[in-house]
Amino acid sequence: TQLLEQSPQFLSIQEGENLTVYCNSSSVFSSLQWYRQEPGEGPVLLVTVVTGGEVKKLKRLTFQFGDARKDSSLHITAAQPGDTGLYLCAGAGDSWGKLQFGAGTQVVVTP
Amino acid sequence: DTAVSQTPKYLVTQMGNDKSIKCEQNLGHDTMYWYKQDSKKFLKIMFSYNNKELIINETVPNRFSPKSPDKAHLNLHINSLELGDSAVYFCASSPMGGSYEQYFGPGTRLTVT
Repeated sequence: TQLLEQSPQFLSIQEGENLTVYCNSSSVFSSLQWYRQEPGEGPVLLVTVVTGGEVKKLKRLTFQFGDARKDSSLHITAAQPGDTGLYLCAGAGDSWGKLQFGAGTQVVVTP
Repeated sequence: DTAVSQTPKYLVTQMGNDKSIKCEQNLGHDTMYWYKQDSKKFLKIMFSYNNKELIINETVPNRFSPKSPDKAHLNLHINSLELGDSAVYFCASSPMGGSYEQYFGPGTRLTVT
C-alpha cells in the first residue's frame, strides 16, 4: 500500500499570511495531484505534477514535486478567505493509476 | 450543465435496508469510480469501471455492488446497510485510468440509523 502522509492536519492563519502544506510518501508515484474540497462538495482538481522537481504555479498557489517523485508541497502566498478548504494530495502509481489519497489538510483563512 | 451528478444528495435509512446511489457523467469519460469518505475526511477508492468493465475492486464487503449500464453511468447498490456504512460517497470520472485528472460529483451523504 502506498501511504501518503499530509502535514499539518489543520492550519489556521490570517488573511495575507503564507502557508505550506506537505505531502510525503516512501513510495514513488508516476504523478501526483492536489485537490481542494469545500464543505458539502466533491474535491476539485487544482494541479497535476508529473516530473521530478517540477514546479507549477496557479496564481498564488505554487506546487512542487520532489526530485524522487515521493513528496510534494503546496505553498499559498498571501492567503485569502477564499482559500479556505480541505487540501488533498493524491498519488497515482500502478498501471491503472489507482489514486491513493492523503488524509487532507484543513486550511482556514480568517479575514 | 453538471459534469458529474449524483442522486440522492442525502440518504437517511435504517440498518438492514437496501439502497442505491446513482451517478451520471456527461464528460464523455471512459472511467468512473466510487469513493467513500469517512468522518475524518479520508477518501478511499472502492470501485473503478472502464467502459462498463470492472477494473478496480478494493476490499469492500460484497454487500456493495456497483453496476455500469453504460460508460456514462455507474450506480452503487448497498444491501443490508450497517451503521459503519454511514459516510459520504463520491462518484468520479476520468478520461483514462487514475493517472489522469478525476472529476468528482457532489457526493451522497448516507446516514444509517
